[in-house]
Amino acid sequence: QSALTQPASVSGSPGQSITISCSGTSTDIGNYKYVSWYQQHPGKAPKLMIYDVSSRPLGVSNRFSGSKSGNTASLTISGLQADDEADYYCSSYAANSALIFGGGTTVTVL
Amino acid sequence: QVHLVQSGSELKKPGASVTVSCKASGYSFSDYAINWVRQAPGQGLEWMGWINTKTGSPTYAQGFPGRFVFSLDTSVNTVYLQISDLKAEDTAVYYCAKIWSGSYFYDWGQGTLVTVSS
Repeated sequence: QSALTQPASVSGSPGQSITISCSGTSTDIGNYKYVSWYQQHPGKAPKLMIYDVSSRPLGVSNRFSGSKSGNTASLTISGLQADDEADYYCSSYAANSALIFGGGTTVTVL
Repeated sequence: QVHLVQSGSELKKPGASVTVSCKASGYSFSDYAINWVRQAPGQGLEWMGWINTKTGSPTYAQGFPGRFVFSLDTSVNTVYLQISDLKAEDTAVYYCAKIWSGSYFYDWGQGTLVTVSS
């Protein structure tokens, strides 16, 4: 399977909202509810931020929200904060019991 | 509390082999699969596959040939990733991650940098 498609970078000012898109196909995002988002700060392991398209694990701020429409998933960060500056990866369950990641999006807080 | 502790960085020459370990603690080891994820320098995450910690059966993602082998030792709650015939393009940070809720990775190891250089 090919990687999911994400924009290389997204930026916003503190307090603003930004949305990161993640485009897949009918054999991954479009066919399953098992979409997730990970945050990764430099030199650190990824952190699960969203699972099952829109659920948040305990401890993750409600400023992070997820959605899906057709073959595209989205992550919205509201009330942007300096610590939100990181790389974000989407992931989806796919045909043949595979997992695929997006190419990653660098979020910059201006 | 779940902990996944990986072995330290490795510097290897092309053609050599390397084994990365991932020691789990804080939960029932055999109840949750362990997955491996690769991240080349400056690149994104790439799912490599997983190992069933109850049966030891591995599943490999497309694009990971037989040079990549997952194994485990239940007596020490440890999973291993062995890469043989190393190539420069194998240079990456390798993460182990415990499966959670079916398709997600909530707990991760700290990552192991494998550098392949002559």
